[in-house]
Parts: sequence; C-alpha cells; structure tokens
Amino acid sequence: DTGVSQDPRHKITKRGQNVTFRCDPISEHNRLYWYRQTLGQGPEFLTYFQNEAQLEKSRLLSDRFSAERPKGSFSTLEIQRTEQGDSAMYLCASSLNRATNEKLFFGSGTQLSVL
Amino acid sequence: AQKVTQAQTEISVVEKEDVTLDCVYETRDTTYYLFWYKQPPSGELVFLIRRNSFDEQNEISGRYSWNFQKSTSSFNFTITASQVVDSAVYFCALRDFASGGGADGLTFGKGTHLIIQP
Repeated sequence: DTGVSQDPRHKITKRGQNVTFRCDPISEHNRLYWYRQTLGQGPEFLTYFQNEAQLEKSRLLSDRFSAERPKGSFSTLEIQRTEQGDSAMYLCASSLNRATNEKLFFGSGTQLSVL
Repeated sequence: AQKVTQAQTEISVVEKEDVTLDCVYETRDTTYYLFWYKQPPSGELVFLIRRNSFDEQNEISGRYSWNFQKSTSSFNFTITASQVVDSAVYFCALRDFASGGGADGLTFGKGTHLIIQP
C-alpha cells in the first residue's frame, strides 16, 4: 500500500495558462475524489469517480475545471485559463466502495499558485 | 443544506494538558455520518474516526475520545495529555443523503489549528 500519490506537489503558473494535476489512488480503490482547499478553510468537494465513471461533477467550480479517469486508475484534474482565484491546494482522495460511510485516504495535494 | 461549524479557529495549550475541539453540525437527514480528520503540516489528511447517526456511544482510542450528542448536534473531540506531535489542523466532516444522495463528498468544517507547546 503506497498511499495516494499526487503530482506535482507544487505548481506555479501565470494567469491564463492551463494546468493539469495527476492523482494515483491506492491500487484497489475504485472511488476517487477531488477536493480544493484554500487557506484557512476545510476541503471543498469538487467531483468524484467510481471506476472510470464520473458520477458527480456539478460541484466543479466552473466550466474551466474538468476531470478524467480514463481507465479507472489514475485521474487528472485540468484547469483551463487559470485565474488568481484558482490558487489553492488541490487534494485527491480514494476509497473502497464497500459502504456508504467509507473513509477516505488523502494524498498530500498539489499546491497551485497563479501569478 | 448540511453544514459543519468548528468555532475554534486556533487553540494553544501546553504539553500534557487536555484539550477539546468542538464540532457542531446541521443536517436535515436522519441518517448521516460524522468524521474527524487530522491534517499535519505535511498536508495529507489522516482519518481519525467515523460515527453514524444511530450510534451515540462515546468512543475512546488511546489518548483520543469523542463525544457524540444528537440532542445538541455536536461531535466533540478530546485529546488527553496532549503531546507536541498532536499539533495539526483538525477537521470535522459530515456526510448525509438529504443533499442529493448517492456518494457525494464530505462537507468539512473550517478546521481548528491545534498548537501544543512543549
């Protein structure tokens, strides 16, 4: 069990650029979640996948945000035309799909800074 | 809509003191789950406990204990004999089904930054 891995750990970009983050969940986990966390706040749910199906995406912050999990393993989160307000920590989490009260295993996050 | 309130933004105590972190939640649902997570400086949230709405028994795990009271919609967390390694941000979170069902993500509070001074 290598845990949830996120890459990169830090990303600095200029406003208007596109960025993509990667998440590798724990291998046997079929649920994968993306959260955003701003300074002094708790994580905010964005979207989640069960295997390759994206079952909830209404919480994505705008149409500039999109996520994929093409083969039901790793996932990517893309932000197009970044804005300064996108600066935040982007967290990925995964879980087994055995119960509705399953606990989430989080990665260390990708810290995005938009200049 | 569901909501989690952690009124204590920051708590600072001296090592070996007991400390209680408060959590108050709001939900329309009768079935829900409550969680506590710890976020150390490394950034990775670590699961501490999960409690469902039908189980009001308090729980103790080592120096950690949790007091769940449905009558006051609270799920407080106490650390006994605190240690410097307990320093972290602690989040209370809620998952219910009234907001849309299925497997929506957790609703987190804003967190309490706990500082344990040596």
